[in-house]
This record gives sequence, C-alpha cells and structure tokens, in this order.
Amino acid sequence: DTEVTQTPKHLVMGMTNKKSLKCEQHMGHRAMYWYKQKAKKPPELMFVYSYEKLSINESVPSRFSPECPNSSLLNLHLHALQPEDSALYLCASSQGFSKTEAFFGQGTRLTVV
Amino acid sequence: GESVGLHLPTLSVQEGDNSIINCAYSNSASDYFIWYKQESGKGPQFIIDIRSNMDKRQGQRVTVLLNKTVKHLSLQIAATQPGDSAVYFCAEPGGGKLIFGQGTELSVKP
Repeated sequence: DTEVTQTPKHLVMGMTNKKSLKCEQHMGHRAMYWYKQKAKKPPELMFVYSYEKLSINESVPSRFSPECPNSSLLNLHLHALQPEDSALYLCASSQGFSKTEAFFGQGTRLTVV
Repeated sequence: GESVGLHLPTLSVQEGDNSIINCAYSNSASDYFIWYKQESGKGPQFIIDIRSNMDKRQGQRVTVLLNKTVKHLSLQIAATQPGDSAVYFCAEPGGGKLIFGQGTELSVKP
C-alpha cells in the first residue's frame, strides 16, 4: 500500500469557521508533511513531523495548527482563515528525514469565503 | 532561496514525439533528485529519482540524466502520449524538506 489518503477532497469554509483536514498513511513512514499549493505554482512546505514530533514549521501563521495524533495520522486544524488561504493542501509522507522520495495524497481543495 | 529551478514553464509536443524537461540546481553538494508528475486536480506522483553517483537512470519510457559539471538534470519522456500531459517538477530532498522547482507544464497535441 503506497497510498496517502486525504479527507475531505473539497472544503468550503467561512472566515469564522473552524475545520480540520485529515491525512492517513499505512506505509510505516515516520515523516509526514503538509504543503500548500496555489494554482500554477509548486507546492510550498508548511510543516514537517518526524516521529510524531513537529520538526519544521516554515513560519506558518498560527491560524494553521498541525497535529500528529499517531504515526499514521496527520491533521491540519484551520481557524479564522483568510480568502488568500484558498489553495490545494497536500499531505505527504516519507520513510524518514533523509533522502528518500515522498508520497503525496490527492490533496484537499480549500476555498475560504 | 530555492536550490532547483526549471528552464521553461510550458512545453508543447506532438503525440509520439520525445519530450525533454530541464532542471537546474545551484548547490554543488546536492546528491539526490526526484521527478514528480502532477495531473490536474491531483497530488504529485513520483516518476523517477537519481542519485549523484549516477549520470543516467531509466524507467518505463522515462530517462533522467544528471550532469553534475553544469548542475543540470533532465527528464526525457519517450513516445509522449496524451496521458503524459501534466506539470512536471524536479525536487530535491534535504534537511527534512523537499524543495520543488517551478514546474514545466507539458501539453501533448494529438
């Protein structure tokens, strides 16, 4: 199983809403990532978890709050987002921190209204 | 700043022709590169990778070439098909991060 599963596929939320994005992998990978991707742009790294601990935060605003409940799950909690936060949010996982390929989920298309 | 970049944002080829997508990098210590394919509305999909102890690696219809002298790598797709239409990214993992180039959008004309 080389699949990273993200839910929901699409999400529309108001600026006062609280929502969560979910990501799951069962490959035994110990590194998990959140990326944000705007149209016609490459994915931009947001957060990296290694062995369930947050290891990299790319200066992401606090309205995005990541959580790693266990080695297979990764959440991204959203609160008080802005319309410019509308994007494709991608989750990925890899065997570890070192140089191996990362596997990506299909993403959550987020629209903030 | 980014350590990888792409020469062209778009590439249009005729079905059946070969496609070549280029990528440059700046860090001479870089030793591992990955090519990803991203179809519309989907996440990036691993295509092929190459480590710096190799100059060339072949997969199914794809070949990656690495020229460490000029810090350049390329992805060659043989007999390009409509299903190859996508954005192609080179990427470099390191320091816990995976850094993407800007991407090349490949369009295949029937």
